[in-house]
Amino acid sequence: DADVTQTPRNRITKTGKRIMLECSQTKGHDRMYWYRQDPGLGLRLIYYSFDVKDINKGEISDGYSVSRQAQAKFSLSLESAIPNQTALYFCATTAWGADTQYFGPGTRLTVL
Amino acid sequence: DQQVKQNSPSLSVQEGRISILNCDYTNSMFDYFLWYKKYPAEGPTFLISISSIKDKNEDGRFTVFLNKSAKHLSLHIVPSQPGDSAVYFCAAGGAQKLVFGQGTRLTINP
Repeated sequence: DADVTQTPRNRITKTGKRIMLECSQTKGHDRMYWYRQDPGLGLRLIYYSFDVKDINKGEISDGYSVSRQAQAKFSLSLESAIPNQTALYFCATTAWGADTQYFGPGTRLTVL
Repeated sequence: DQQVKQNSPSLSVQEGRISILNCDYTNSMFDYFLWYKKYPAEGPTFLISISSIKDKNEDGRFTVFLNKSAKHLSLHIVPSQPGDSAVYFCAAGGAQKLVFGQGTRLTINP
């Protein structure tokens, strides 16, 4: 079984709709991250959380919000989706004090 | 301002030869560096890392070199195999956050 799972894997939605992407992990890690990948831009950090009560903005947080429901769960919301939010979204986790982040399989989001 | 740059979007190498992927960074405060490999429809997977106090780290066919004075790191794959065809991302870390480069698509030709 995968250590980091993301749902849904693919989603097509319309401009203005509210979308939630979910991430769960069984690695027991404290720290969780949301990234988006765009062609030619690599992965950019949207939000990160060092524990359940700690939420931090990343490089490109505008238009997004997050919720850390439990140590194992971290969800990303687009309150009103727009076409330039079309991208691949990845969740990642790491243990306290560790360097290596472990990624989920990604969600491909298309906003029409 | 791109703090981590991979200036080659793509690289094509013959099977059995050496693949060299390059990465430059601007922030001297980064204290560790990683390489990730990504296949289509999958998330990035960790490949190899290096601390800023070292200049070389090896793991099997993969070696990462760090030149702090030049703010440059490279990944060497020897010998290259068809299964190495993927997109490779370098990442620089500090304070438990990573900054990624744009990625280099490596194609290994038979």
